[in-house]
Amino acid sequence: DAGVIQSPRHEVTEMGQEVTLRCKPISGHNSLFWYRQTMMRGLELLIYFNNNVPIDDSGMPEDRFSAKMPNASFSTLKIQPSEPRDSAVYFCASTFWGSNQPQHFGDGTRLSIL
Amino acid sequence: DAKTTQPNSMESNEEEPVHLPCNHSTISGTDYIHWYRQLPSQGPEYVIHGLTSNVNNRMASLAIAEDRKSSTLILHRATLRDAAVYYCILRDGKAAGNKLTFGGGTRVLVKP
Repeated sequence: DAGVIQSPRHEVTEMGQEVTLRCKPISGHNSLFWYRQTMMRGLELLIYFNNNVPIDDSGMPEDRFSAKMPNASFSTLKIQPSEPRDSAVYFCASTFWGSNQPQHFGDGTRLSIL
Repeated sequence: DAKTTQPNSMESNEEEPVHLPCNHSTISGTDYIHWYRQLPSQGPEYVIHGLTSNVNNRMASLAIAEDRKSSTLILHRATLRDAAVYYCILRDGKAAGNKLTFGGGTRVLVKP
């Protein structure tokens, strides 16, 4: 079975550019999460969706970040304009909406902003 | 979310058991104890979870103290592939979503 698929795996770009990270959740899952991981702050939840609707975006650092889920099989996380402090590994995870269903994570996108 | 406390790191020898402690003294009655691990250059993966009773699965065992203020993840025979960061997370069973709050975790080193 295909797991959570993220693209690209690596992205290097200059500050000020728009960055788009993509995620395909596991088929049938109706809950999707975006996380960011850095050495300083560890794993942080940015935003999560249920049935394509954003439920909690309190972890989104600022207005430069936006996330969408146009359908059940695709989500994007955009940063515009990007800054060097946005450099991190970004993970997407999906699960069934329910009290104790485990989250399944993708392999992440390693983002470097120069 | 209630807070958990884990040692920063632990070492183990290959094929020996590993006992990973987690303290959660402020746990509430509806909090489930979840464990995830993160192998190098990968996303976290689910290991096990429990509420009150000890739990076993193919990956590990979870031993929960009677007062639920602490728990221990047990890897019965460590392999080199078990070298990872292990996260102990409390999740409110009353909450509708599956939101997880990750702490610093325990980095496990397995020596051959």
